[in-house]
Amino acid sequence: SQQGEEDPQALSIQEGENATMNCSYKTSINNLQWYRQNSGRGLVHLILIRSNEREKHSGRLRVTLDTSKKSSSLLITASRAADTASYFCATDWRGTYKYIFGTGTRLKVLA
Amino acid sequence: DVKVTQSSRYLVKRTGEKVFLECVQDMDHENMFWYRQDPGLGLRLIYFSYDVKMKEKGDIPEGYSVSREKKERFSLILESASTNQTSMYLCASSFIEPGGEQYFGPGTRLTVT
Repeated sequence: SQQGEEDPQALSIQEGENATMNCSYKTSINNLQWYRQNSGRGLVHLILIRSNEREKHSGRLRVTLDTSKKSSSLLITASRAADTASYFCATDWRGTYKYIFGTGTRLKVLA
Repeated sequence: DVKVTQSSRYLVKRTGEKVFLECVQDMDHENMFWYRQDPGLGLRLIYFSYDVKMKEKGDIPEGYSVSREKKERFSLILESASTNQTSMYLCASSFIEPGGEQYFGPGTRLTVT
């Protein structure tokens, strides 16, 4: 299958700093989503951006999408210790019901 | 709030046992999914279902089967558990629109000894 890839694999920052993580994918998509997973738990949906959108905001989250480069970035501003989690991007697979998840970025926010 | 529940948070089974993992959602979602999650490999799709009694294989269906007799319930079956099936299993559901938001259960950490 065509797995997405997040970059970096792990990120450690101080509370109050911004965190940026990137996602690359391989095929054309209808939309791209970002999810958060706290340790040992299920995934929680954060934000969805459609292929005809370039940027989207939700609270402290900002997502960009560049379909020409097949890449997306997630920016978390003014990070908090509670943002410590793994973050995954997911894309639809050629318009089907299937989702392709990346391998995730582990974010650690130090208080 | 959408709620997706899984029958167990932790499960320990012996090699060769038949294992049932149950998932129930309360939002009348058409689509339901089973993933396994392993370190360094991310989430891999085992099976998904877009309607009652309908199912499609995902990327790693070998050694697994599924059952969807009611819209709200999607079961994953390990016919004969093996140690390489030790993993975190995640269930998810979504509306019919392809690529829409998925809602995940809390996960079942299965250990096969």
